[in-house]
Amino acid sequence: SSELTQDPAVSVALGQTVRITCQGDSLRIYHVSWYQQKPRQAPVLVISGKTNRPSGISDRFSGSYSGNTSSLTITGARAEDEADYYCCSRDSSAGHLHVVFGGGTKLTVL
Amino acid sequence: EVQLAESGGGLVQPGRSLRLSCSASGFTFGSYDMHWVRQSPGKGLEWVSSIGTAGDSYYSDSVKGRFTISRENAKKSLFLQMSSLRAGDTGVYYCARGRYYFDSDDYAQFEALDYWGQGVLVTVSP
Repeated sequence: SSELTQDPAVSVALGQTVRITCQGDSLRIYHVSWYQQKPRQAPVLVISGKTNRPSGISDRFSGSYSGNTSSLTITGARAEDEADYYCCSRDSSAGHLHVVFGGGTKLTVL
Repeated sequence: EVQLAESGGGLVQPGRSLRLSCSASGFTFGSYDMHWVRQSPGKGLEWVSSIGTAGDSYYSDSVKGRFTISRENAKKSLFLQMSSLRAGDTGVYYCARGRYYFDSDDYAQFEALDYWGQGVLVTVSP
């Protein structure tokens, strides 16, 4: 199966900008989506289709991509942004509804 | 409002079976692919299985041959029949709605899981 690689942990100072990355060969072909998960809560979609932000998601969240790397950028980080972030994409080595997640990045807001 | 609600979790012994259900509301259930995603304690998200609108099903290697996904569109319900359960299957199981896009060859491709249930806990232990 395909793999998506994320840094396990990232920190950002309050009010600063942070970029969380996701690498994988499938990202050259297929769209990535990003999810925010806070403790004891279900994941929430924050970016879909590589760069699209669902209704209700703050415009401080944005997506970008280059080659096999997709990035989630949070500008003006707030304490409420502290969470785990996961990237997700189609598994390029399997059927069209076969999905793979990155290992997740724990974001700490200092 | 789109809502997904899982049920059927609990404590089960290794080797036994359990059936999870996901009740959907607020959208045309039969028009969407549906997925199960799980999260072991303290670990990341793991995709488990998905089912297309035509009933085509897909499984992760870790559950293939043991789990069966199904749907009943008239009842707006998604199911996951889990058999030969192992300690490693312990975790919170989420159902989620899939969204797709059309690629340059006009094929529908997975895009995102846009709505999630609150999850149900499955514990596999003697």
